[in-house]
Amino acid sequence: KQEVTQIPAALSVPEGENLVLNCSFTDSAIYNLQWFRQDPGKGLTSLLLIQSSQREQTSGRLNASLDKSSGRSTLYIAASQPGDSATYLCAVKSLDTGRRALTFGSGTRLQVQP
Amino acid sequence: DTAVSQTPKYLVTQMGNDKSIKCEQNLGHDTMYWYKQDSKKFLKIMFSYNNKELIINETVPNRFSPKSPDKAHLNLHINSLELGDSAVYFCASSQTLGLAARETQYFGPGTRLLVL
Repeated sequence: KQEVTQIPAALSVPEGENLVLNCSFTDSAIYNLQWFRQDPGKGLTSLLLIQSSQREQTSGRLNASLDKSSGRSTLYIAASQPGDSATYLCAVKSLDTGRRALTFGSGTRLQVQP
Repeated sequence: DTAVSQTPKYLVTQMGNDKSIKCEQNLGHDTMYWYKQDSKKFLKIMFSYNNKELIINETVPNRFSPKSPDKAHLNLHINSLELGDSAVYFCASSQTLGLAARETQYFGPGTRLLVL
């Protein structure tokens, strides 16, 4: 059974800092890994999707890496801004044919101080 | 032009009542999902439908019954509500069954259910 863990659970940084969020998963047989952003009272927004054959994806100030063999992914946020404050969720889609849905971690709550 | 919408946004009700949450997607997707986010913020899959056919049914009490009148709608009906049902329920959709490695899911804003 796939399990996803995110560390740290919460993080507070001053504006302008670079930061790294960590995600680990127990079963490396995955289709892809996604990073989502969740704002209070709102739904989830997909930030980056890394296919199992890829090592990283970049979008603006965000860079996500995937090391499938070790079951790890990181989300790197450069030059953080107060608008980056949100909960960041990592989710994997496993190859198990019975599980076409995503398995989520519990998230990292990020606060960027102005 | 909201992609995935849910109603209501908030739902406060008494234990034992029956309630429904509606979900609609205008993306033309074939597959829709219901997830539950508990107090510890874990999002867990409950159901998935593809073209109105149930394809995932996790270990969910049979008080929960999804209904898909067409592939653009997936409603969640809950009978005899219990305190432990309090959570945020998210609807999502994807283009297909979601087996393509680059396919993502699109989420609704969530319905916050509080059972008193």
